[in-house]
Amino acid sequence: AQKVTQAQTEISVVEKEDVTLDCVYETRDTTYYLFWYKQPPSGELVFLIRRNSFDEQNEISGRYSWNFQKSTSSFNFTITASQVVDSAVYFCALSAGTDSWGKLQFGAGTQVVVTP
Amino acid sequence: GAGVSQSPSNKVTEKGKDVELRCDPISGHTALYWYRQSLGQGLEFLIYFQGNSAPDKSGLPSDRFSAERTGGSVSTLTIQRTQQEDSAVYLCASSPPGLVGETQYFGPGTRLLVL
Repeated sequence: AQKVTQAQTEISVVEKEDVTLDCVYETRDTTYYLFWYKQPPSGELVFLIRRNSFDEQNEISGRYSWNFQKSTSSFNFTITASQVVDSAVYFCALSAGTDSWGKLQFGAGTQVVVTP
Repeated sequence: GAGVSQSPSNKVTEKGKDVELRCDPISGHTALYWYRQSLGQGLEFLIYFQGNSAPDKSGLPSDRFSAERTGGSVSTLTIQRTQQEDSAVYLCASSPPGLVGETQYFGPGTRLLVL
């Protein structure tokens, strides 16, 4: 069975602070895909990144960076120099399994609150 | 280009009534997905259409829920005899052609309230 755990329910930071969101996943499959989505107050899920299980290279996109470590089954997300516009709920998700590719297994989400 | 669109944006209905929710995927996307987001259950997979293959209905919570996809494009999610526990945001997503694990792009959702 697939499972995604986001242990942090809510993180509050002051603008310009860095914030790291944890994501731990469970799967028995050797091929799988991991995703991060942002859900701002408007409600729409916005895609941020997709990573396959064979590519452990960390990635940076502007103020966003991701640290994928298969050894600890983690795919953590860091926002550097946070801004008020980063306030949102962030979801980590997993796609895995021969019969389950179409099913994204989401974590519970982490609410990020950035105050000026 | 245009993203995934869903209608209506909001729907209020009375317990026991049937509702239909519509999803228009991104042009050229072959796969279409429905999810439900509620306070108690988080984001849950409901059903998945891939091309002309039989849909994966394994996430539908009861036989009151059904979905169809006409002409490989627009999809309708139908909930019969609605119950208060059906109140949630229903999200549709689509993904481009590919083998596995393609990125799913989500629409704005339909907020359903059952009174």
